[in-house]
Amino acid sequence: SQQGEEDPQALSIQEGENATMNCSYKTSINNLQWYRQNSGRGLVHLILIRSNEREKHSGRLRVTLDTSKKSSSLLITASRAADTASYFCATIGGGFKTIFGAGTRLFVKA
Amino acid sequence: GAVVSQHPSWVICKSGTSVKIECRSLDFQATTMFWYRQFPKQSLMLMATSNEGSKATYEQGVEKDKFLINHASLTLSTLTVTSAHPEDSSFYICSARDQTSGGRKDEQYFGPGTRLTVT
Repeated sequence: SQQGEEDPQALSIQEGENATMNCSYKTSINNLQWYRQNSGRGLVHLILIRSNEREKHSGRLRVTLDTSKKSSSLLITASRAADTASYFCATIGGGFKTIFGAGTRLFVKA
Repeated sequence: GAVVSQHPSWVICKSGTSVKIECRSLDFQATTMFWYRQFPKQSLMLMATSNEGSKATYEQGVEKDKFLINHASLTLSTLTVTSAHPEDSSFYICSARDQTSGGRKDEQYFGPGTRLTVT
């Protein structure tokens, strides 16, 4: 399978709560990226973390990377209803091909 | 920032016809572009890597005669779904690497996607 695993598959939370999504991948990487996709729309690039980085922040987003476990997490703090979307991690491997995880569908209830 | 466009945004066609989808890098050159397919509520699956001036490289399980890819210039790749059938209905997304000098070579830029519905 192309895809790494992401968990949970879907997550429903109340506005103001934090949301954590996890991603595992299979091969060695140069970097890992997180994307957001609203239903039926294109991808929005959120954040890139390089293999020599362990944690990165961008606004309400916090990404961690553990290359020994081949895993990453995305934390969205103080979630808003507008954060409702699908979130995908993606790794770039040989030939610069981007391989996406299965995705987590996040629902933030107002 | 770098922009990738796709045309058309959506298309409805009859079974048995062929549909061409264009992917353009608007403000940068891309010797390599990628085509993905996404079924409802699923992730993006890489179909093929499009290389300017050479044959595309297809992922396992993707029929090269079914999904024809042409990357004739540094800013344009096309995907033609030949003899489309209802099971080809999907969301097709392209991406391009900015390979111009000074570009962030480890970042890809994604098009907005093309929704294909085959009736």
